[in-house]
Amino acid sequence: AQKITQTQPGMFVQEKEAVTLDCTYDTSDPSYGLFWYKQPSSGEMIFLIYQGSYDQQNATEGRYSLNFQKARKSANLVISASQLGDSAMYFCAMREGRKGANSKLTFGKGITLSVRP
Amino acid sequence: KAGVTQTPRYLIKTRGQQVTLSCSPISGHRSVSWYQQTPGQGLQFLFEYFSETQRNKGNFPGRFSGRQFSNSRSEMNVSTLELGDSALYLCASSLVGREQYFGPGTRLTVT
Repeated sequence: AQKITQTQPGMFVQEKEAVTLDCTYDTSDPSYGLFWYKQPSSGEMIFLIYQGSYDQQNATEGRYSLNFQKARKSANLVISASQLGDSAMYFCAMREGRKGANSKLTFGKGITLSVRP
Repeated sequence: KAGVTQTPRYLIKTRGQQVTLSCSPISGHRSVSWYQQTPGQGLQFLFEYFSETQRNKGNFPGRFSGRQFSNSRSEMNVSTLELGDSALYLCASSLVGREQYFGPGTRLTVT
């Protein structure tokens, strides 16, 4: 079974609007971390936001927030006030095991986001 | 603070040759991980090094190997290159238990 599932093939959003990128995950480990990365056409992976499995509150970083629904095993990324520079591929990733035990990330297949002016 | 650097950025090799890629982590980061990214398989974990020891390894053949030096710099080596090894190879570094920061990648083309 896939550990990280990103099923949206491509997303379009109007500049200044909000957009939600979906991610579901599968793990039997009670300790895990969820990450979102952005990859522009240049290729470099840019860290956006992190959510730990024991975190009580949803993570937020500027215009990015993570809608963490543990029972549903979903970790959707919400981008508010989209900008043209947000056009990129977005990856959801998971690290299993307690923090510090390892750094291995399992990635989803990614979602392409295009922001229209 | 300088980010993760990878050299070379682009590489063209012939089948059967071997290649070494280099990664310099962010200062103070002792964990270095390598990933392979291809259009077909997506992003796949190769291995992780921490304090010069391989801590985790992905599902890749033995032709893929790596090492980490005492200054945390890391190299990965691919021997007997195959066409399917053409990919973007990404290196990432992190503090213990923290998010990984990626380098710009090395784009390897095998002909």
